[in-house]
Amino acid sequence: ETGVTQSPTHLIKTRGQQVTLRCSSQSGHNTVSWYQQALGQGPQFIFQYYREEENGRGNFPPRFSGLQFPNYSSELNVNALELDDSALYLCASSVALTGLGTDTQYFGPGTRLTVL
Amino acid sequence: AQSVTQLGSHVSVSEGALVLLRCNYSSSVPPYLFWYVQYPNQGLQLLLKYTSAATLVKGINDFEAEFKKSETSFHLTKPSAHMSDAAEYFCAVSGHSNFGNEKLTFGTGTRLTIIP
Repeated sequence: ETGVTQSPTHLIKTRGQQVTLRCSSQSGHNTVSWYQQALGQGPQFIFQYYREEENGRGNFPPRFSGLQFPNYSSELNVNALELDDSALYLCASSVALTGLGTDTQYFGPGTRLTVL
Repeated sequence: AQSVTQLGSHVSVSEGALVLLRCNYSSSVPPYLFWYVQYPNQGLQLLLKYTSAATLVKGINDFEAEFKKSETSFHLTKPSAHMSDAAEYFCAVSGHSNFGNEKLTFGTGTRLTIIP
């Protein structure tokens, strides 16, 4: 059983550019959540996808958008990059258990984005 | 709204000594509580979780935590510190519902240093 994988590992962009980060869920997981972790901070929830639909969003502007594909892999897109977007972006996969509440979220290694 | 507060951004203990990392939570609903560990340049690994079953939760690598509702606390302990325990530790809280996954709200983290 493979765990959560993310690509790329590192990325450098300039202000105003657009970026796409990718995540492959753990086998059997149907839910993907994305988090932003700024240096020295705890992760902050960006949004979650379940069955290809957004299923909750944190306090992030619309230039942060996402997709989930039929195989449950996911993308995070950020438009018009700003310097403050520099962070570690973490993807977490889990199983939505209808009637049974929250399952554990398993995290990938993250993508470190640097915006210059 | 839910939140967690981790007391002490840095904690140092001697190898073999007791590890105690503090976490207090605030939640308007019965919470689920988690401890994650993050090693340098890596993602988050789940140590343990509380989901309203036993109040004393045992996790990996001899870590455990006790849910104390009266104190709104979920402190992490380990009887004897190992050099390999040096890492960043995050406490997190989520709500729970009959469907889907709730987002995780993280604390700001505690960096644990082990003194040889």
